[in-house]
Amino acid sequence: VQLVQSGAEVKKPGASVKVSCETSGFTFLSSDINWVRQATGRGLEWLGWMGLNSGDTVYAERFQGRITITRDTSKSTAYMELSTLRSEDTAVYYCARSGWFGQFFFALLDWGQGTQVSVSS
Amino acid sequence: DIVMTQTPLSLSVTPGQPASISCKSSQSLLHGDGKTYLYWYLQKPGQSPQLLIYEASNRFSGVPDRFSGSGSGTDFTLKISRVEAEDVGVYYCMQGMHLLPWTFGQGTKVEIK
Repeated sequence: VQLVQSGAEVKKPGASVKVSCETSGFTFLSSDINWVRQATGRGLEWLGWMGLNSGDTVYAERFQGRITITRDTSKSTAYMELSTLRSEDTAVYYCARSGWFGQFFFALLDWGQGTQVSVSS
Repeated sequence: DIVMTQTPLSLSVTPGQPASISCKSSQSLLHGDGKTYLYWYLQKPGQSPQLLIYEASNRFSGVPDRFSGSGSGTDFTLKISRVEAEDVGVYYCMQGMHLLPWTFGQGTKVEIK
């Protein structure tokens, strides 16, 4: 299983960023994708979830209206777009797979390598 | 949202000695299906987090048996029976209940003396 994310981004305040997460090694539609971020020296923060089969999404309330998670099933790739960026959004953004495997639920089972997003004027 | 509280926030351990991290949730993590949706992750320096324990007490594939998870309801513990140098990093608990959002503890930094 691999989740390979796009490269580092530098953005100005007010801009948008779109991070990709290309997956392989598992059946894309049988899992879910989550996005988690980590500001430098800080803890982990869950941003949102997408059911890769249904396309349903759930976002953390404080990101509602600014975050959009999408997927391209033909490329087994998920995307996270965050708009109206501010300096506080500077962080490493991770995609992570979750889902039911047998009788067990695995939250955040496999992780991407992370994408540094820096927001600065 | 469910608040996760970890203690201690840092731990310095002599190799070969045990270590224990506590995680408390503001609501019970026991679901009506009988499962407890509590997870433990380790983030080694410069790496992405990795899953150690799922559903409170199940060790993930490849995780050494010196790691164990226990607890129920709102109180959980991660124990390392004999700390090794490769165990350094930040440990996070996370609740993965069906009702999103998922939330993490603040993290516990483990270092070797």
